[in-house]
Order: sequence, then structure tokens, then C-alpha cells
Amino acid sequence: QSALTQPASVSGSPGQSITISCTGTSSDVGGYNFVSWYQQDPGKGPKLMIYDVSNRPSGVSNRFSGSKSGNTASLTISGLQAEDEADYYCSSYTSSSTWVFGGGTKLTVL
Amino acid sequence: EVQLVQSGAEVKKPGESLKISCKGSGYSFTSYWIAWVRQMPGKRLEWMGIIYPGDSDIRYSPSFQGQVTISADKSISTAYLQWSSLKASDTAMYYCARLPSLFGVVQHYFDFWGQGTLVTVSS
Repeated sequence: QSALTQPASVSGSPGQSITISCTGTSSDVGGYNFVSWYQQDPGKGPKLMIYDVSNRPSGVSNRFSGSKSGNTASLTISGLQAEDEADYYCSSYTSSSTWVFGGGTKLTVL
Repeated sequence: EVQLVQSGAEVKKPGESLKISCKGSGYSFTSYWIAWVRQMPGKRLEWMGIIYPGDSDIRYSPSFQGQVTISADKSISTAYLQWSSLKASDTAMYYCARLPSLFGVVQHYFDFWGQGTLVTVSS
């Protein structure tokens, strides 16, 4: 199972919006509404930010939103804040009954 | 409060065996699948496999089948990941994570994660 494709890095200024893409295939992202997104600060375990494409767990800011079109899912962060600087990973359930992660995207808040 | 607490960092030599642990608390440990996820230095997350502690049903990623063993002891709410013969390429951070359940149906994401166990294999 190949990894999902994410941009290596994205950046934005405080207050701006950024979008991170996550491209897979019809066997994973495109085939199921089981895409999730995780935020990982350096030296820490991942934190769930979005599940089932567009749902936010309780406690996660509504500045985080998710969507999907075809084989590509997206995470959008609006009103960027310094505390959002982290690595972000997407994940999808697959037709092989496994999970696959993206390569990760480093978000820099300028 | 749901918590997954993992065992501490390990430094091992190639060929040695190792078993690391993940203790769940704050929820019914036997009712939720636990996953193991590898993160090699500076690399992406990789799903290794899952276990249902209630009946020890286990599913492995094809990439890790035969390379590691996943187990659980429900009496002490602990899941394990073990190696019989470590290689330098096993050097990585290993995370356990819980898959939530809705009305008894397993969900397809990981809602709580452990703090990670760093495994270093070096001669």
C-alpha cells in the first residue's frame, strides 16, 4: 500500500487560511469517507483533528475543517495562529482493511 | 479520562528481543481495538496492526506480518508489541492508539494516542 501524497511543507501568516491536500486512490481516499487528520508537535504523539473526512472531535477548534473531492482530501485551517505550527498527517482506511498515512506536511506560521 | 501510557525508551543490540507495552485506562479496555503505529526518524507514520483485547483478534499490515507480534493481556489492560530479533532498521518511535467504537461498530480513525516509545537498535 503506497503512502498518501501530501505536500512536504506549507506556510502562512497569522490570520490567513491554508489548505493541505492529501491524494490517494480509489482504493483508499476515493473509496471511503474514512479520511482523518492528525496534528503532531515535535516529540509528541499525534492528536486527532478531523475524522470521517469532515468531522471535528470535541475540543478541536472550528478553525479546522476537512473536505474531500474524488481521490483528494483536504484540511483547511482558517485564522492561522502560531500554535498551529506542527506536522500534519492524513490517514485513510483502505480496501485491504488496512490504514495508510500520508507523508506528512510541515506547517510553518510566518 | 482516556489514557494510553506506553513503556519507556529502550536501547537494544541487533539480534536481541524486546516487548514494549501500552496500558489503557479511563475506558473499557476490552471493548476497543488498539493499533500500533511506527514512525522512523524524520519519516511518516506507518500502520502496523491492530488488536481487539476482548478476544485477542489481531490484524497485521502485510508490511509487518512476521516481523513483529502484537498481543494483549486484558486482565491488566495492556497491549504489547514485540520483536524476537531486532534489526537496526527497527529503530523508530512506536505509538499505540485507540480506535473508537460507535454503537459497537469500530470506527476507522484513531482517537487517543500514547506518548510513544522510542526504540533504538545499535551495536
